[in-house]
Amino acid sequence: SQQGEEDPQALSIQEGENATMNCSYKTSINNLQWYRQNSGRGLVHLILIRSNEREKHSGRLRVTLDTSKKSSSLLITASRAADTASYFCATDARGYSTLTFGKGTMLLVSP
Amino acid sequence: DGGITQSPKYLFRKEGQNVTLSCEQNLNHDAMYWYRQDPGQGLRLIYYSQIVNDFQKGDIAEGYSVSREKKESFPLTVTSAQKNPTAFYLCASSISVGQGLLLGNQPQHFGDGTRLSIL
Repeated sequence: SQQGEEDPQALSIQEGENATMNCSYKTSINNLQWYRQNSGRGLVHLILIRSNEREKHSGRLRVTLDTSKKSSSLLITASRAADTASYFCATDARGYSTLTFGKGTMLLVSP
Repeated sequence: DGGITQSPKYLFRKEGQNVTLSCEQNLNHDAMYWYRQDPGQGLRLIYYSQIVNDFQKGDIAEGYSVSREKKESFPLTVTSAQKNPTAFYLCASSISVGQGLLLGNQPQHFGDGTRLSIL
């Protein structure tokens, strides 16, 4: 399976703390994407990192990619209650025209 | 505003009944996708279409059917052959993946889902 796997499954932190989520995958990829899903809603794209990139920033988000270890991490700095959501990584295996999503990390940020 | 509209938000199916979930986008995207999400699970691909009048099976196509007669629309029918249809269904679209094998898949835009339950 190409599927990415996020770790941890659930994470509970206080507002202002940083949250780190990890994603591992199995095959060579073109790119890796992170999405957020609020309860009962659709997914929202957060950031895309290409296989030749090692780190990418977007506001309070920092994504790293280590293709040698087939892993990625998403760091949310100075978290807010509004960051409470599930976060999914999606991989784009070379030779495939679809994304494969992991099972997600559920993040709870308490005020 | 451009986006994807899924309807209805909630749907109930009786035994032996086919039901159709609507997905419309005004983003001018060529590619559209249907996913199923079960509680605490990731997304599993049901069907996808890269261009009008063409679609391919995903990982869990059995018991489902689709059509792509217009660029803007990609309806999903859950047939009576799908014995466990209770789930959250998500539709998504993206710009052309015609060059995907070289450039990789582009970000997908999602609707807000349809929650299907059995009566």
